[in-house]
Amino acid sequence: QQPVQSPQAVILREGEDAVINCSSSKALYSVHWYRQKHGEAPVFLMILLKGGEQKGHDKISASFNEKKQQSSLYLTASQLSYSGTYFCGTETGGGADGLTFGKGTHLIIQP
Amino acid sequence: KAGVTQTPRYLIKTRGQQVTLSCSPISGHRSVSWYQQTPGQGLQFLFEYFSETQRNKGNFPGRFSGRQFSNSRSEMNVSTLELGDSALYLCASSLRGASTNEKLFFGSGTQLSVL
Repeated sequence: QQPVQSPQAVILREGEDAVINCSSSKALYSVHWYRQKHGEAPVFLMILLKGGEQKGHDKISASFNEKKQQSSLYLTASQLSYSGTYFCGTETGGGADGLTFGKGTHLIIQP
Repeated sequence: KAGVTQTPRYLIKTRGQQVTLSCSPISGHRSVSWYQQTPGQGLQFLFEYFSETQRNKGNFPGRFSGRQFSNSRSEMNVSTLELGDSALYLCASSLRGASTNEKLFFGSGTQLSVL
């Protein structure tokens, strides 16, 4: 079952912060985050394993709430290069379903 | 190191035809996954192959099939094409697969249009 991402789309000014949420109805083993720019392949951002860890990647970080089966991606002081579609992918640990992605969140950063 | 290569880049077919898409993973990667991307549904998992064996399969009809060769290159086949099969088909490779918490490396995809 696809995880649910919110919001579907967001428009920000350069320098503003954004939060993208990803939730699942199933118990999760890991959450993966990818970004896809228009006309390009999705690119890996980070993986979070159950245990509630928070990982950082420059000004992009993420958390994973195991109890709520939710993950959030935080983009701080957004830059124009952050524009794109962000996908979360969830893995239940059994391996039977592969990596299931949400429908994506479209992020537009304006100057 | 060369990235994931998908061919062809674009395909136009008519309903009822069949199509074969090709994916060459990064050298040394043994897992290849296939995804269908459409504007309304995002990335939907088709199947994953590891060492020539299908390891996982998504919720797609039997018209969608795939295989992997001994050199890890993979093909996916769609038979009896329908209009709804129009989509960007992405393949992704990794050493052991996403279920082992590895990152995936995606190709640029094959854009399939069914008329």
